[in-house]
Amino acid sequence: EPEVTQTPSHQVTQMGQEVILRCVPISNHLYFYWYRQILGQKVEFLVSFYNNEISEKSEIFDDQFSVERPDGSNFTLKIRSTKLEDSAMYFCASSEGTDEAFFGQGTRLTVV
Amino acid sequence: DQQVKQNSPSLSVQEGRISILNCDYTNSMFDYFLWYKKYPAEGPTFLISISSIKDKNEDGRFTVFLNKSAKHLSLHIVPSQPGDSAVYFCAASAGGNKLVFGAGTILRVKS
Repeated sequence: EPEVTQTPSHQVTQMGQEVILRCVPISNHLYFYWYRQILGQKVEFLVSFYNNEISEKSEIFDDQFSVERPDGSNFTLKIRSTKLEDSAMYFCASSEGTDEAFFGQGTRLTVV
Repeated sequence: DQQVKQNSPSLSVQEGRISILNCDYTNSMFDYFLWYKKYPAEGPTFLISISSIKDKNEDGRFTVFLNKSAKHLSLHIVPSQPGDSAVYFCAASAGGNKLVFGAGTILRVKS
């Protein structure tokens, strides 16, 4: 069964460093998303991406964040200068249309 | 932001009985609702969805009911199995793709 894959599964980084979280969405999907879940809190929407551009973003997705689809298969989330409060599970998701999104296993980001 | 609420943090059910998970929403623009299941250290797994034009959708042991006037939906699992033990998230979207999640309900099915 097709699945969304994310790498790495765990990333530890120092505060102020840049990180890139990688995702390979399901191949025929057209919509791509990043969500995050801070420990003990809700899953929160960060950004959606369609047709090579951001279609919607949340207040969390400030200038420190960017997304890119550098080729036909990868979808990346970059955090330019990490803060302690960026520590969370980051989930990539994709959907074929405006229906159910399928999530990856997540990347645990720990900022120290 | 409390647009989607799951007021029960946890639920414990005996194997073979029915599990009923509840979700309330406040945004009348939501037109698509989903339930996801999540195990520790894994991503949410899609379970079942319902469009606002329906009031019921069934898939095997899982049934979702939508009461638009009450802005309430529920997920019924029958019969419940120990493997159903997980965190269940209700999510909703409003004519687009962004999902708004509830806080989740931990379901424990006892054998």
